[in-house]
Amino acid sequence: SQQGEEDPQALSIQEGENATMNCSYKTSINNLQWYRQNSGRGLVHLILIRSNEREKHSGRLRVTLDTSKKSSSLLITASRAADTASYFCATGLNTGGFKTIFGAGTRLFVKA
Amino acid sequence: EPEVTQTPSHQVTQMGQEVILRCVPISNHLYFYWYRQILGQKVEFLVSFYNNEISEKSEIFDDQFSVERPDGSNFTLKIRSTKLEDSAMYFCASSENRAGNTIYFGEGSWLTVV
Repeated sequence: SQQGEEDPQALSIQEGENATMNCSYKTSINNLQWYRQNSGRGLVHLILIRSNEREKHSGRLRVTLDTSKKSSSLLITASRAADTASYFCATGLNTGGFKTIFGAGTRLFVKA
Repeated sequence: EPEVTQTPSHQVTQMGQEVILRCVPISNHLYFYWYRQILGQKVEFLVSFYNNEISEKSEIFDDQFSVERPDGSNFTLKIRSTKLEDSAMYFCASSENRAGNTIYFGEGSWLTVV
């Protein structure tokens, strides 16, 4: 797998349902960030979890990080049509420089 | 809330021409980045910049590309002799710190090379 690989690639759910997206990565990381991107727009930061953290919450978002499995999940509870977007995980790498690598993203479609 | 601003939002250029994309990072941030996203594809890291020098760059960031911080506020990406495959959305980003800090992105500059 590549660094920062999300699954599923696409997810379609009904409004009110929960959406879970997963991210796997290969190398050691400093942190992992989740972003949202509406079609053709910029990247909106959702949440950052550090490598020594296991879980973080922000509103309807819950992120977990398992460094032993090199994986993270993003849970959106009680989804809304406005949550329709692409979601990306981005891993901050332990390199000498400053490099954050994005995965290919999960396209979420929430049906009203 | 402070934000990263980018100009232009959209630029169309002839193949072979030079393009400069401009960015104003968040004012107290010290680390700057350029990413690009070809339509329908993933966001790709190009370069990171700190203390007036390139910190890290990807294999995409070849001699055709250069970055500069010409003054205290702007951060620019120059693409020399553009090619059709340079058509993409280019995102500027900045962060206050390196490890464990959020990277904030601008809205992007659409570059179309014809």
